[in-house]
Amino acid sequence: DAGVTQSPTHLIKTRGQHVTLRCSPISGHKSVSWYQQVLGQGPQFIFQYYEKEERGRGNFPDRFSARQFPNYSSELNVNALLLGDSALYLCASSVRVQETQYFGPGTRLLVL
Amino acid sequence: AQSVTQLGSHVSVSEGALVLLRCNYSSSVPPYLFWYVQYPNQGLQLLLKYTTGATLVKGINGFEAEFKKSETSFHLTKPSAHMSDAAEYFCAVSSSGTYKYIFGTGTRLKVLA
Repeated sequence: DAGVTQSPTHLIKTRGQHVTLRCSPISGHKSVSWYQQVLGQGPQFIFQYYEKEERGRGNFPDRFSARQFPNYSSELNVNALLLGDSALYLCASSVRVQETQYFGPGTRLLVL
Repeated sequence: AQSVTQLGSHVSVSEGALVLLRCNYSSSVPPYLFWYVQYPNQGLQLLLKYTTGATLVKGINGFEAEFKKSETSFHLTKPSAHMSDAAEYFCAVSSSGTYKYIFGTGTRLKVLA
């Protein structure tokens, strides 16, 4: 069975630009969570979506937004990119909100 | 608020030696606890988890962890290290009613030949 997939794998942007990251959950999983992992640190929670509704939000500015589609895939959008947004963005899926989360390979974003 | 502390950002062991990676948590409610492994340039792979029930949890690749409520610990062990175990290991905590995982800062395991 296919795991969580994310695209693109790598991305280079410049300050002020906008970026969209995509995630497809494991088949049968209805919840998707997004995490940011800055180099040398553990992942930090950004959002969780379940059945297309936001169920949780971490301590990130409004420049970060996300949505979930009817097929349970998800997008993470970041506006007005800053150098500090450079990180590995991880998507995790779970059957339901409180179930074990399984992570994708991540999208590595570099902001110049 | 929940938090996780991983003691030792870098741990080195000889091949065949015991692996012990330490994790202490803080939680005001019964925690769910997880260990994930991250290989270079990859995402996180679930090693094992504790939710309820037996406090000694066995995971993949020969790893196990024991939930000790009195010590608020969930240390990860493996009796005999293999070169392929070299990676970064993350401990995480959540509670049954919350949606987010709180991760520690990670421990990088180096296995010496």
